[in-house]
Amino acid sequence: AQSVTQLGSHVSVSEGALVLLRCNYSSSVPPYLFWYVQYPNQGLQLLLKYTTGATLVKGINGFEAEFKKSETSFHLTKPSAHMSDAAEYFCAVSEKRTNAGNMLTFGGGTRLMVKP
Amino acid sequence: EAGVAQSPRYKIIEKRQSVAFWCNPISGHATLYWYQQILGQGPKLLIQFQNNGVVDDSQLPKDRFSAERLKGVDSTLKIQPAKLEDSAVYLCASSQNTGLFQPQHFGDGTRLSIL
Repeated sequence: AQSVTQLGSHVSVSEGALVLLRCNYSSSVPPYLFWYVQYPNQGLQLLLKYTTGATLVKGINGFEAEFKKSETSFHLTKPSAHMSDAAEYFCAVSEKRTNAGNMLTFGGGTRLMVKP
Repeated sequence: EAGVAQSPRYKIIEKRQSVAFWCNPISGHATLYWYQQILGQGPKLLIQFQNNGVVDDSQLPKDRFSAERLKGVDSTLKIQPAKLEDSAVYLCASSQNTGLFQPQHFGDGTRLSIL
C-alpha cells in the first residue's frame, strides 16, 4: 500500500513570505499526486494534480508543486503568502486497489497559519 | 456546475443510537466515495461506488456501517449503533469515473458528534 508523509503538522509564515509545504510519498509505481486545501467547516478543494509530463505543476491561487521522482517528493509552494491562504493542506496519492476501484491515500495534513 | 451536496451538516447523537447521512454527487459522476475524517487526520476511504455497485468496501466497519446507492445517483451512509470513536466528519466525494488521475470533488461534509 502506498503512503504519504507530510512533514510539519503546523507551518506558520508571515504575509508575503514564501510558503513551502512538504510531502513525501512511497510508491512502487509511477504515482498520481494531488494537493487539496480544506478551509474550516468545508470539504476539500483540489489545488493541483500531477499525472504525467511536466514535473512542475501549477494550480489555483498561485500555488505550484514539483514532482521529484528521485526524492519521492511533491512539495507545495507559493512565492508570497496571503492571509486567505490560511487553511489545512493535504497531499494525496492515487492508488489502484481492486479491479475497478481506486483510492486516494491522504497525508496527515499541514495547517498553514499566516501572520499579518 | 452544482457541487457535491451533503446533509445534514451537523449531527449530535448518543452512543448506541443510529444515524444516516445523505449525499448527492455532481451530475454525471459515476463514481461516489464516502470518507471518514477524524479530527487532526486526513480523510480515510470507507466505501467506493461505481454507478450503483460497490467496488471497494474493504475499510468499512461492516458490523455497524452500511451504505447504498440504489439508483446510481445519490447515496446514504448509515451507522448503527454508533460508538464514541465514530465522532468525525463524514465526507462524500464524486468523480467522473474510477481513473487514477481523475480528481475527486468533495462536499462540505457532515460533522458527527457522539455523546
